[in-house]
Amino acid sequence: DQQVKQNSPSLSVQEGRISILNCDYTNSMFDYFLWYKKYPAEGPTFLISISSIKDKNEDGRFTVFLNKSAKHLSLHIVPSQPGDSAVYFCAASLLTGNQFYFGTGTSLTVIP
Amino acid sequence: DVKVTQSSRYLVKRTGEKVFLECVQDMDHENMFWYRQDPGLGLRLIYFSYDVKMKEKGDIPEGYSVSREKKERFSLILESASTNQTSMYLCASSSGVTYGYTFGSGTRLTVV
Repeated sequence: DQQVKQNSPSLSVQEGRISILNCDYTNSMFDYFLWYKKYPAEGPTFLISISSIKDKNEDGRFTVFLNKSAKHLSLHIVPSQPGDSAVYFCAASLLTGNQFYFGTGTSLTVIP
Repeated sequence: DVKVTQSSRYLVKRTGEKVFLECVQDMDHENMFWYRQDPGLGLRLIYFSYDVKMKEKGDIPEGYSVSREKKERFSLILESASTNQTSMYLCASSSGVTYGYTFGSGTRLTVV
């Protein structure tokens, strides 16, 4: 059973606008979350992380929000740029564990 | 620059062939992972390893085996390749969840 879900397979956004990518998880014990970005024919690269002691983490244009009660996290990209067009995966883990559980990915297209 | 290197970017193999996918990391990481990525299914864990000669089944181990004889090298073996094993294969390594995974560039395997 999928423990991490990204219900939107794709998203299109105009350049300069906000992109919001969503992720839900089922295991309330998860306490560490990552977002990865993947271009075609390349491996995923780390984007941003958040631990359960926080509800927000920012890194430049990227902000991740965590709502523990809803078991939901989201990635905001502001402003969106054409180079942000990629597949984005969220991943969840236990801090005491050593394995991440990945979502199915959301393909973001930023339209110039 | 730390690296996870996968030996081939593209492979074409025939049904029934034995296929070896090699992965080498230079970061002295204990943990190594093999995933496959398929459209709509995200990243699915095939096998992982916490130490030399140790291996654990992931979510979809059927039709695969692995070998970890040295800390830096983790091999994925398709015992008898089938067309449903056509996929993007991604290797990753990690020293712990707080550091995330470092992924290789991936191997696009086509079984004909």
